[in-house]
Amino acid sequence: DSGVTQTPKHLITATGQRVTLRCSPRSGDLSVYWYQQSLDQGLQFLIQYYNGEERAKGNILERFSAQQFPDLHSELNLSSLELGDSALYFCASSRGNTIYFGEGSWLTVV
Amino acid sequence: AQKVTQAQTEISVVEKEDVTLDCVYETRDTTYYLFWYKQPPSGELVFLIRRNSFDEQNEISGRYSWNFQKSTSSFNFTITASQVVDSAVYFCALSEAQGAQKLVFGQGTRLTINP
Repeated sequence: DSGVTQTPKHLITATGQRVTLRCSPRSGDLSVYWYQQSLDQGLQFLIQYYNGEERAKGNILERFSAQQFPDLHSELNLSSLELGDSALYFCASSRGNTIYFGEGSWLTVV
Repeated sequence: AQKVTQAQTEISVVEKEDVTLDCVYETRDTTYYLFWYKQPPSGELVFLIRRNSFDEQNEISGRYSWNFQKSTSSFNFTITASQVVDSAVYFCALSEAQGAQKLVFGQGTRLTINP
């Protein structure tokens, strides 16, 4: 158990819809990362927050957004969903230069 | 730009055999971190090891060992006396040491250990 908690574990939704994925980092970790794992693209970095502020941005689509709240939990919002957004979305947090991942949220867009 | 290459897409061995997973990386940074993660069939990403670019000492943890060679930009992972529970996809990853430590992953190696 990495200590990073993600909900929901599985989600099935229709094209055009919007979903929110939630993440609680390890206790005391200030950084939160979001990654997407798809068959086409592999594991890709989406975005990082540090203590509530955006710190780095990767290959995140404009239809996607994220935020980190004062209690350090984070949400990844995915809107206008397309079939190609079906993927495993990971949240991670870091301490001491080591990045620990949650169990992921499986998103299926139908 | 940073890049990680895991040339072995799939490996299949019989239990108790030793197996080495290759990882080659590219970076212009002088300081960086290298990682290995395990993804079992259940899907989670499990941290195995982090190596600082300054530390080329090889590491052993039980049946797992890692060989870091800066001269060849490689960070290979060996499982000794493999077990069925070692079956998983293994990812090598690279991050910068300064600033945002986002990981760049290789494509992964699917390891199957047959009984």
